[in-house]
This record gives sequence, C-alpha cells and structure tokens, in this order.
Amino acid sequence: DTEVTQTPKHLVMGMTNKKSLKCEQHMGHRAMYWYKQKAKKPPELMFVYSYEKLSINESVPSRFSPECPNSSLLNLHLHALQPEDSALYLCASSQGSEQYFGPGTRLTVT
Amino acid sequence: QKEVEQDPGPLSVPEGAIVSLNCTYSNSAFQYFMWYRQYSRKGPELLMYTYSSGNKEDGRFTAQVDKSSKYISLFIRDSQPSDSATYLCAMSLNTGGFKTIFGAGTRLFVKA
Repeated sequence: DTEVTQTPKHLVMGMTNKKSLKCEQHMGHRAMYWYKQKAKKPPELMFVYSYEKLSINESVPSRFSPECPNSSLLNLHLHALQPEDSALYLCASSQGSEQYFGPGTRLTVT
Repeated sequence: QKEVEQDPGPLSVPEGAIVSLNCTYSNSAFQYFMWYRQYSRKGPELLMYTYSSGNKEDGRFTAQVDKSSKYISLFIRDSQPSDSATYLCAMSLNTGGFKTIFGAGTRLFVKA
C-alpha cells in the first residue's frame, strides 16, 4: 500500500483565518514532505521532516508552520495567508529518496 | 540556469507511438532520479526511480540515466490515450533529508 492521504481536499479561507492541512501515511516511511504547486508549474519543496524532526525549510514564510506530531502524521498550519498563496498543497512520504504523494489540498485564499 | 531543465511541450503523438521525454541537470551532486506522472488536479504518481547510470525497464516504461552527460530520459512504448498527462522528472540529493528538485514537466497528449 503506497497511500498518502490528505485532508481536506479543498479549502477556502480568508486572509485573517487560521486553518490546518493534514497528511497521514501508514507505510512506515521515515521522511515526510510539504510541497506547493501552482497551476502548470512543478511542485516546489517547502519542508522536509526526517524522523519527526524538521530537516529542511526552504525559506518558507512564517505564515506557514509545519508540525510532525508522530511518524505517521504531518500538519501544515496556516495563518494570515495572502491570495498568492492559493495553490495545490501536496504532502509526500518516503523511506529513501523516492517519494509517494498524496492527492493534495486545493487551497484558495480570498 | 535552472538546476533541472525540461521542455514543457506540449508533445502530441498518435496512439502506439514511442514517446521520448528528457531532462538535463547541472548539479552533479544529484544522486537519485525519478519520473512522475501527474494527471490534471491530482498528485504526482511515481513511475520510475533509479540511482545509477544505465537503463531501467518496467512494462512499457524505460528510464535512462547518463550521469556523465547529466541527462535523463523516459521512454514510453506503445503509447495509449490514458498516458496523456504531465510527466515530471525529479532529482534528489541527501542533505539530512532528501531535497528534491522537479523539472518543469512535459505535457503529453496521445491521440486515439
């Protein structure tokens, strides 16, 4: 089973809202990732967690706050977002370098 | 210069054709090479993964890596309309976590 699940599938939020994206995997993978993907562009790496510790932060603005409560779960907390943050947010997990992606959360900031 | 270069297409081929997709890269530190397929409004799906120069085959798909030329390819034999999607090359290096850079993606259309 190579399934990564993400909730919600769609999210519309105002610029003053606080919301969270959730990701879950049960493959025993040791690394989890957040990516942002704009329309007709490739995924852009945001954060990497390795063994539940943040190992890579690609200079992401502080309005995005990741959290890894345990080895199966990954959250992305959102606060004071801008309309340009509207995108598909993808979660992935991996044991080695090959990553398995979830279906994504389509975020619209109004 | 981008770290990973990939022609965005679109590439249109008739059903049954052999498709060749390519990427070049500039960072010789990349150790791992992947190809993903992404359908519209879906997450990327891992197709092929390799870490050494040479060929790797899986069904109708063949991945080729030439580290000396910093060039990777994906071949699709007997292409089908269901292969119509965006194909993304991706390359990783281990920096305490796997930092992965994607190519721009090539949009492929296979006409019945």
